[in-house]
Amino acid sequence: QVQLHQWGAGLLKPSETLSLTCAVYGESFSGYYWSWIRQPPGLGLEWIGEINHSGNTNYNPSLKSRVTLSVDISKNQFSLKLTSLTAADTAVYFCARLVGVANFDYWGRGTLVTVSS
Amino acid sequence: IVLTQSPDTLSLSPGERAALSCRASQSVSSTYLAWYQQKPGQAPRLLIYGASNRANGIPDRFSGTGSGTDFNLTISRLDPEDFAVYYCQQYVSSPVTFGGGTKVEI
Repeated sequence: QVQLHQWGAGLLKPSETLSLTCAVYGESFSGYYWSWIRQPPGLGLEWIGEINHSGNTNYNPSLKSRVTLSVDISKNQFSLKLTSLTAADTAVYFCARLVGVANFDYWGRGTLVTVSS
Repeated sequence: IVLTQSPDTLSLSPGERAALSCRASQSVSSTYLAWYQQKPGQAPRLLIYGASNRANGIPDRFSGTGSGTDFNLTISRLDPEDFAVYYCQQYVSSPVTFGGGTKVEI
């Protein structure tokens, strides 16, 4: 059974950098793209970007200038950094696995990140 | 690609049929259209992939149809556990986008 376990700081100040990590258990890390998706409180889902085991990335153009995804295949982990935070970045951040060509079948439990001075 | 879901909210009773709509701003190959269910405090759960294929463990009261720009999710008989928010999602082209969601409430 695939499990995604995510962690990172939950309270940050404006202009700081968000850093989250997601560890994959029970499945090979290779052969898939791994995504970050966020959800502001009470609102819908926004895709942030994806990375594969080789470090190939795709980013949402709306966030591309502030986002960096990285991977550590030795630990079956991938990470998100989002810089220059504002209150608008307050959201629950999910990691997820892309299966096939278009679907997210396994998700982390989510991390609430609050940006406030 | 912008996905527009309707209605925003669906107020129904257990046992009733729910019909949810997802309209795309441009044509989406069925292969790249999925539906998710999300309950409060939980991550989304994949229900339907390829527009009409149920994911593992999804009851057959859930069905997906559609093609081109119009897609539908039907719940044939609502179970109390089905009251949740439903999202459609596409990845025919980057970036991945989600619809705004339809809340199915009692």
